[in-house]
Amino acid sequence: KNEVEQSPQNLTAQEGEFITINCSYSVGISALHWLQQHPGGGIVSLFMLSSGKKKHGRLIATINIQEKHSSLHITASHPRDSAVYICAVGYGNKLVFGAGTILRVKS
Amino acid sequence: DAGVIQSPRHEVTEMGQEVTLRCKPISGHDYLFWYRQTMMRGLELLIYFNNNVPIDDSGMPEDRFSAKMPNASFSTLKIQPSEPRDSAVYFCASSPGARSNDYEQYFGPGTRLTVT
Repeated sequence: KNEVEQSPQNLTAQEGEFITINCSYSVGISALHWLQQHPGGGIVSLFMLSSGKKKHGRLIATINIQEKHSSLHITASHPRDSAVYICAVGYGNKLVFGAGTILRVKS
Repeated sequence: DAGVIQSPRHEVTEMGQEVTLRCKPISGHDYLFWYRQTMMRGLELLIYFNNNVPIDDSGMPEDRFSAKMPNASFSTLKIQPSEPRDSAVYFCASSPGARSNDYEQYFGPGTRLTVT
């Protein structure tokens, strides 16, 4: 069984700070997904990656396959980044989810 | 495209009643997924379909749950009879799949189910 561990569980930051959320998993995977869930409940896929690094605007995701570890970074954080960030690991089309990181960015 | 559409958005029902949740995936997507989210267990995969065929239903909690996909544009998740512990948010997601070499998942807005 693959376990997905995220840290931290909760994170409060000041606007402008650089933020890092970590995800570790125990078994080899086909891909790793980072999802964002806003207070209204909707879920948006931010990244899907199987190696290296991806960047969208202020968001950067990295993955180290050998170490079974991924990080999501937010540069110049803003209050609108406040959300739950969920890591999910994929076996083909099946996803196993982490518990999520609750991020609050204060102005 | 309108995205993944789910209905109803909210459902309140009494224990023992039948509940049917509906999902319309994004046109052209080959995969459809049903997930459940609770405070205690987080997000869990219930079942997924490829080209309307159920591929993996190992996450379906028990026989009270059933899912169908009669065509490429419609799927249902049925709970009969419902119990209070079924209260959760149920998400449907779809994914393009192999023909586009795109396995990113696109989530619907979810259905919040409350069973009293």
